[in-house]
Amino acid sequence: DAMVIQNPRYQVTQFGKPVTLSCSQTLNHNVMYWYQQKSSQAPKLLFHYYDKDFNNEADTPDNFQSRRPNTSFCFLDIRSPGLGDAAMYLCATSRAGEGYGYTFGSGTRLTVV
Amino acid sequence: AQTVTQSQPEMSVQEAETVTLSCTYDTSENNYYLFWYKQPPSRQMILVIRQEAYKQQNATENRFSVNFQKAAKSFSLKISDSQLGDTAMYFCAFMKRAGYGNKLVFGAGTILRVKS
Repeated sequence: DAMVIQNPRYQVTQFGKPVTLSCSQTLNHNVMYWYQQKSSQAPKLLFHYYDKDFNNEADTPDNFQSRRPNTSFCFLDIRSPGLGDAAMYLCATSRAGEGYGYTFGSGTRLTVV
Repeated sequence: AQTVTQSQPEMSVQEAETVTLSCTYDTSENNYYLFWYKQPPSRQMILVIRQEAYKQQNATENRFSVNFQKAAKSFSLKISDSQLGDTAMYFCAFMKRAGYGNKLVFGAGTILRVKS
């Protein structure tokens, strides 16, 4: 089945130690998104890629970066995680312009110790 | 900027009963899409139902239906014959129609608990 896969499901990292979360898709969607979701809150968009065109949200901290080496993969890099970065990180994909909503991955729950 | 408001942080319903979740939104756009997403505990967020703003007919998907009132900017979700598996966080979301990389704007969510 076509899907969005996030690895790992759970990630524990040390305060200040760089960490990378990964997302892959078999849907061939041209848009990929990264959201941060803290406990029982709405997901907050960090950035998205339209093909290789990177779009950063104005309030996304500089500590967060992203890479999309090809259509199928997208990475979220947190350069120096703080305790406040502990959250669920959701990857989603969509086709541009069709308004059919997103397909989400299962998320990666990040713990910072 | 668009905003989405869900005024019910938590709701509960008895199994087999009907429940309605509320959502209002604010936009100056005329063409857009509205969605309800379901996020079960520790599980993947999935699309429940989608509404195109230029269609007056309310969307339905099996036990799920919406009441879309464009003038009032209201988009409520009705779940009929509630099942235990409907227990989840429900998010209302808005997307502009125009442009690429269209962004979903989410409401704060409503936790729905279905009781046996």
